[in-house]
Amino acid sequence: AQSVTQLGSHVSVSEGALVLLRCNYSSSVPPYLFWYVQYPNQGLQLLLKYTSAATLVKGINGFEAEFKKSETSFHLTKPSAHMSDAAEYFCAVSGSRGQLTFGSGTQLTVLP
Amino acid sequence: EAGVAQSPRYKIIEKRQSVAFWCNPISGHATLYWYQQILGQGPKLLIQFQNNGVVDDSQLPKDRFSAERLKGVDSTLKIQPAKLEDSAVYLCASGTTGAGTDTQYFGPGTRLTVL
Repeated sequence: AQSVTQLGSHVSVSEGALVLLRCNYSSSVPPYLFWYVQYPNQGLQLLLKYTSAATLVKGINGFEAEFKKSETSFHLTKPSAHMSDAAEYFCAVSGSRGQLTFGSGTQLTVLP
Repeated sequence: EAGVAQSPRYKIIEKRQSVAFWCNPISGHATLYWYQQILGQGPKLLIQFQNNGVVDDSQLPKDRFSAERLKGVDSTLKIQPAKLEDSAVYLCASGTTGAGTDTQYFGPGTRLTVL
């Protein structure tokens, strides 16, 4: 069975500050990992994914994530937060047939 | 390229009534997923189709939920009868291959309120 734990259901940062959203996974097989973003009343949009190539993955809107097998982590970072980054972020692990298991999400608030 | 379309966007029903949701995936995508997202939680997979066949429906409450994907394109998810705990956003997603590395593209969802 696979699972994802997102530490911190709410994270607040100031505009221009570092964004760090934490994700730990559990998987019995080498995982494929995803970060999605959800804006209010919209579906989920892919930010980036890890598919066993480079451990540092760059995504859209300046986000990146690093796969650390020893720590079973896949934390999402952005050097400088923008107001437009305020949204809910979901980490997910994929099964062999593409089924996604999501974490419970982290609501990011960006303060002016 | 058009995205995943879903309708209706919002639906309010009384408990024990029935309801149906429709999804049109991205053209050419073989795989279609239905997820249930309860407020404050991440989406949970209900059912996965590959073309018009079911790959995984292990988390679908089959006593009240049903889904079909006729001709391997559009899909319909039905709830009959609805319960209060079915209040959620129902998300449809599609992907090209259904492999573990595949990107899923999500529709805007249908928000269901059961009174």
